[in-house]
Amino acid sequence: EAGVVQSPRYKIIEKKQPVAFWCNPISGHNTLYWYLQNLGQGPELLIRYENEEAVDDSQLPKDRFSAERLKGVDSTLKIQPAELGDSAVYLCASSSGQKFNNEQFFGPGTRLTVL
Amino acid sequence: SQKIEQNSEALNIQEGKTATLTCNYTNYSPAYLQWYRQDPGRGPVFLLLIRENEKEKRKERLKVTFDTTLKQSLFHITASQPADSATYLCALDGSGSARQLTFGSGTQLTVLP
Repeated sequence: EAGVVQSPRYKIIEKKQPVAFWCNPISGHNTLYWYLQNLGQGPELLIRYENEEAVDDSQLPKDRFSAERLKGVDSTLKIQPAELGDSAVYLCASSSGQKFNNEQFFGPGTRLTVL
Repeated sequence: SQKIEQNSEALNIQEGKTATLTCNYTNYSPAYLQWYRQDPGRGPVFLLLIRENEKEKRKERLKVTFDTTLKQSLFHITASQPADSATYLCALDGSGSARQLTFGSGTQLTVLP
């Protein structure tokens, strides 16, 4: 069974440029998460989807970040415009959503460098 | 304020010894706690989940304890091997939602041959 797929794996952009990350979760997983991870820190939740509905986006900087999961399967996270402080690893994860068995399956992440 | 603290320093141990990693939390009442392993350049990988009513959970060479009175979880790797070298993250449900996890900053473990 394929794991969580993310692309691209690496992205280098100039500040003020837009950037988009794509995630395809494990088949059948209705819950999808986007996390941000800075060096030496744990993942921090940006947004959580239950199917196509964003049920928690309280940590998403909405002035520049947006996300969508139109058909409740794959998802895109966008930053526009990017700032120097956005340099980090962006992780996507999915889970089956069962209440006490919601281990999360993570993709390899996209390492973003903003110059 | 809510806080999750893992061993502040990296942990180096000799092969064959038991590694013990600590996860302390404040101002949370988690229903469960999870441990993940993360290798450089990769996403975290789930290892174990322990519920609030469970004192201890084991899986092969791994053991997790959960003390809701002390607000602490201990993660043990027995008979450690160099391949166990990685960063270990604890995560707990801090928001009241069964699907929301808050992660600690991790402990970097190095097992020396």
